[in-house]
Amino acid sequence: GDSVTQMEGPVTLSEEAFLTINCTYTATGYPSLFWYVQYPGEGLQLLLKATKADDKGSNKGFEATYRKETTSFHLEKGSVQVSDSAVYFCALSAGSNDYKLSFGAGTTVTVRA
Amino acid sequence: DTEVTQTPKHLVMGMTNKKSLKCEQHMGHRAMYWYKQKAKKPPELMFVYSYEKLSINESVRSRFSPECPNSSLLNLHLHALQPEDSALYLCASSQPGQPNEKLFFGSGTQLSVL
Repeated sequence: GDSVTQMEGPVTLSEEAFLTINCTYTATGYPSLFWYVQYPGEGLQLLLKATKADDKGSNKGFEATYRKETTSFHLEKGSVQVSDSAVYFCALSAGSNDYKLSFGAGTTVTVRA
Repeated sequence: DTEVTQTPKHLVMGMTNKKSLKCEQHMGHRAMYWYKQKAKKPPELMFVYSYEKLSINESVRSRFSPECPNSSLLNLHLHALQPEDSALYLCASSQPGQPNEKLFFGSGTQLSVL
């Protein structure tokens, strides 16, 4: 079945450091890919998404490119802030009409001042 | 209004209690979801309602009973729970045409079963 594998961390960084969280997927067909973020004590929020190969999703300085050849959707940010401390989930949807999201295990990121 | 509101935020219940979790949204979304999230784990889908009809039940035990009384409200009725059911219960909503275009999540109900 469809699945997502992401580095689990935890990841600890200093402010203004470069962040990358690896995410790879296994799927039949042409899935949509997402990054969700969960701040402490809150629900998940959509951070960015990509629906086809070579699409780049971006939001709040974060970027991820849908790479079909490497089945990857790595999350990157050039300069992190303390406020980026959160848990990041990579997720996959088999199709646009699919109600189910397959989530990765989540990566806890802590940014220190 | 782009919020999904869940009540209560915290709930402690005994194994013989009956309680309900509530979820409300006013974004006009016609798909609503219940997820269960254990600590340091990803959310797990429990139920999906589409146009107020149960669309997906991920083989959830009968001690969890969902209800969608109208297009804005979603309830989860709890009865005879076990301690392993302690978790964060998240409600979410979306447009049913492209359900995973964007899911809006509530902040969750942190449930403890004693």
